[in-house]
Amino acid sequence: DAGVIQSPRHEVTEMGQEVTLRCKPISGHDYLFWYRQTMMRGLELLIYFNNNVPIDDSGMPEDRFSAKMPNASFSTLKIQPSEPRDSAVYFCASSLDRGFSDTQYFGPGTRLTVL
Amino acid sequence: QQQVKQSPQSLIVQKGGIPIINCAYENTAFDYFPWYQQFPGKGPALLIAIRPDVSEKKEGRFTISFNKSAKQFSLHIMDSQPGDSATYFCAASTRGEKLTFGTGTRLTIIP
Repeated sequence: DAGVIQSPRHEVTEMGQEVTLRCKPISGHDYLFWYRQTMMRGLELLIYFNNNVPIDDSGMPEDRFSAKMPNASFSTLKIQPSEPRDSAVYFCASSLDRGFSDTQYFGPGTRLTVL
Repeated sequence: QQQVKQSPQSLIVQKGGIPIINCAYENTAFDYFPWYQQFPGKGPALLIAIRPDVSEKKEGRFTISFNKSAKQFSLHIMDSQPGDSATYFCAASTRGEKLTFGTGTRLTIIP
């Protein structure tokens, strides 16, 4: 298995632009997580899905952030409009059916820079 | 209540030494305590995890020590190697709920 796949690996955009980050979880995993990592706040959970259904989006910072999982093999995290404070590394992770008590496999991350 | 406090923020150890990273928590409902290892430019990867029914768990050179009464747990790396240089995160969760991560420890093993 190729592991969790994220694209793009790097994204540089200007303030106000829409940004879409993509994730392909490991095949057969029922849970998908989106995290944001910054020096100031560390690793924060933004949202997670179980069987393509959003379960907890309490970590999504603002309405500018939205996430979808249209099928078991694809998820997107969208920021519209983007702001410089959104600059961070965004990770997608997936796990088998025991959710948080099971191993979460992280993707390589997308480094987002908003100018 | 949901915080996990991790220390130190950074650590430099000579090859062969035993770095120790500590974490403390407040929420007594936590029942799963994993450690993640992250190399530069990579995502975190699960290293080792423990549940509160045991006081110690070893996997290779990595050991978790768990003190339930003190609400603390720590990671020890035996015979540390330069390849162990990475950022280490502790985390905690209650079964079925989200992981709360510590702030990370940047470990450097010098030859």
